[in-house]
Amino acid sequence: EADIYQTPRYLVIGTGKKITLECSQTMGHDKMYWYQQDPGMELHLIHYSYGVNSTEKGDLSSESTVSRIRTEHFPLTLESARPSHTSQYLCASSDGPREKLFFGSGTQLSVL
Amino acid sequence: KNQVEQSPQSLIILEGKNCTLQCNYTVSPFSNLRWYKQDTGRGPVSLTIMTFSENTKSNGRYTATLDADTKQSSLHITASQLSDSASYICVVSDRGSTLGRLYFGRGTQLTVWP
Repeated sequence: EADIYQTPRYLVIGTGKKITLECSQTMGHDKMYWYQQDPGMELHLIHYSYGVNSTEKGDLSSESTVSRIRTEHFPLTLESARPSHTSQYLCASSDGPREKLFFGSGTQLSVL
Repeated sequence: KNQVEQSPQSLIILEGKNCTLQCNYTVSPFSNLRWYKQDTGRGPVSLTIMTFSENTKSNGRYTATLDADTKQSSLHITASQLSDSASYICVVSDRGSTLGRLYFGRGTQLTVWP
């Protein structure tokens, strides 16, 4: 059972709002990731971190930002949400870049 | 171009029956291949991870095979149950960088009917 938690599970907000999606893990993993997934499509990496104070952009261009101040916490922030940000956001962690990923349950974001 | 292709896109089977899902990839250099199960509205859960030297790996009623020469993998589900209804995602990792970049397939949506 994965010990990685995402909140909120569902979020419906209006255009222009600032939002933060929370992700926490209790496994002590250094590596953490944010993926975006649309229905029937593959996961796309938007941000990753290899440890505290380390953050990098992924393959998919994203207007979001992340921070990694503590090992267990990897929040994602959208400064001004738009309808194009509507998607499912999945947080994951692992022991290393080639180890098994543990995923959270995801946040389904809808921007009206 | 590194890609992961899965087939079929969707599959419906009756409870108790077996099925096989396919994954073809072009990722090179190859590091490992993973199968994940994703229930609707949830995050993916790892089923198996196979490296170049492993041909078969089982996890309960799930058996994954890998042919690194032809760059093909399959996931066989035996005696299907209603709880097997989910999307099954094939993921291939390369070893061409320290990141160990992951390439995701779009998944096969399996529905098991009673």
